[in-house]
Amino acid sequence: DVKVTQSSRYLVKRTGEKVFLECVQDMDHENMFWYRQDPGLGLRLIYFSYDVKMKEKGDIPEGYSVSREKKERFSLILESASTNQTSMYLCASSLYRVHEQYFGPGTRLTVT
Amino acid sequence: AQSVAQPEDQVNVAEGNPLTVKCTYSVSGNPYLFWYVQYPNRGLQFLLKYITGDNLVKGSYGFEAEFNKSQTSFHLKKPSALVSDSALYFCAVRDSNAGNMLTFGGGTRLMVKP
Repeated sequence: DVKVTQSSRYLVKRTGEKVFLECVQDMDHENMFWYRQDPGLGLRLIYFSYDVKMKEKGDIPEGYSVSREKKERFSLILESASTNQTSMYLCASSLYRVHEQYFGPGTRLTVT
Repeated sequence: AQSVAQPEDQVNVAEGNPLTVKCTYSVSGNPYLFWYVQYPNRGLQFLLKYITGDNLVKGSYGFEAEFNKSQTSFHLKKPSALVSDSALYFCAVRDSNAGNMLTFGGGTRLMVKP
């Protein structure tokens, strides 16, 4: 079974703090994704990566950056957290573009 | 641009009755279609997908979905609902002309009552 893990289930940070969310997958998948989930809006793609050190912007990249130094690990960085970044963050991975994505359990981030 | 719509925020059904969760999509090329389920405080779990071939796709937990090209729909169905099916369901689409990005619908909450 594919396993995607995320570093924290719940996180509380203050406005202006730098926040790191980490995701690890154990199936040697090429593609990794970061989404945020908000009620009524579904999932919106922040960034994705199709290879080590490669990244592409999704629908809502503003205020976020990413890092992929190793194939199994994909980090989401909030350079200066703001209250409107309070959300559920989901990481996913997939082998090829037509394949389904496998999701981690999510990190619920609260910025106060 | 690709898009997907789930017209119902919530679907209520009695246990043992058939259920349908609706999804319509818009793409410029051929659609790759997916259904996911999310239980409380959990990530999304893959249910089924349509890439090509038979219009009726069977997936996990007894769910199936029918691809209808003329109506640009991919409705999720189950012949007999269980209380444990109560969850949030997401439809997603990827356009064959686009890159790796999936576009998700807003989600439909399924409530199955005993």
